[in-house]
Amino acid sequence: DAGVIQSPRHEVTEMGQEVTLRCKPISGHDYLFWYRQTMMRGLELLIYFNNNVPIDDSGMPEDRFSAKMPNASFSTLKIQPSEPRDSAVYFCASSPRDTSNTEAFFGQGTRLTVV
Amino acid sequence: AQSVTQLDSHVSVSEGTPVLLRCNYSSSYSPSLFWYVQHPNKGLQLLLKYTSAATLVKGINGFEAEFKKSETSFHLTKPSAHMSDAAEYFCVVSLRGGRRALTFGSGTRLQVQP
Repeated sequence: DAGVIQSPRHEVTEMGQEVTLRCKPISGHDYLFWYRQTMMRGLELLIYFNNNVPIDDSGMPEDRFSAKMPNASFSTLKIQPSEPRDSAVYFCASSPRDTSNTEAFFGQGTRLTVV
Repeated sequence: AQSVTQLDSHVSVSEGTPVLLRCNYSSSYSPSLFWYVQHPNKGLQLLLKYTSAATLVKGINGFEAEFKKSETSFHLTKPSAHMSDAAEYFCVVSLRGGRRALTFGSGTRLQVQP
């Protein structure tokens, strides 16, 4: 398996624009997670899905952020409108079952810069 | 609530000397614990995990960690540091029966001097 695949790897956009980050989890994994990494806040969970259903979105910072998982092999994280403070590395991860007894596998991340 | 505290934000060692990265956890339930490593501009790679089996866990690249319930600790060690070990290390907790997601510590940056 190629692992968790994220695209794009780098994104530079202007404030106010819509940004869409994409993720393809490992085939057969039931859980998908979106994390954000910043210098100030470290790695924080934004949202996670189980069997394509959002389970916990309490980490989504505000209504400008939305995430979808239309099928088992694809998820998106959308920011509209984007702001400079959204600049961060966004990681997608997947897990074959809940992470209470197994690890999550991470993608390479998308580095987002909002200018 | 669950959380992890990494006691050192930076650790510097000389090549060939032992490595100790400290982690304490807080959990109302029996936790699963992980160590992940992140090399510059790279993703996160699992080093090792504890999920209620043996308390001394061996991982990749010569790393190991010991789960000590009485001390609520899960420190990461390696007998001899290599230059390629320079990276950021994260201690991570997940609850069994709780929120099905990983909670990350703040990270420890390991520097290895020649």
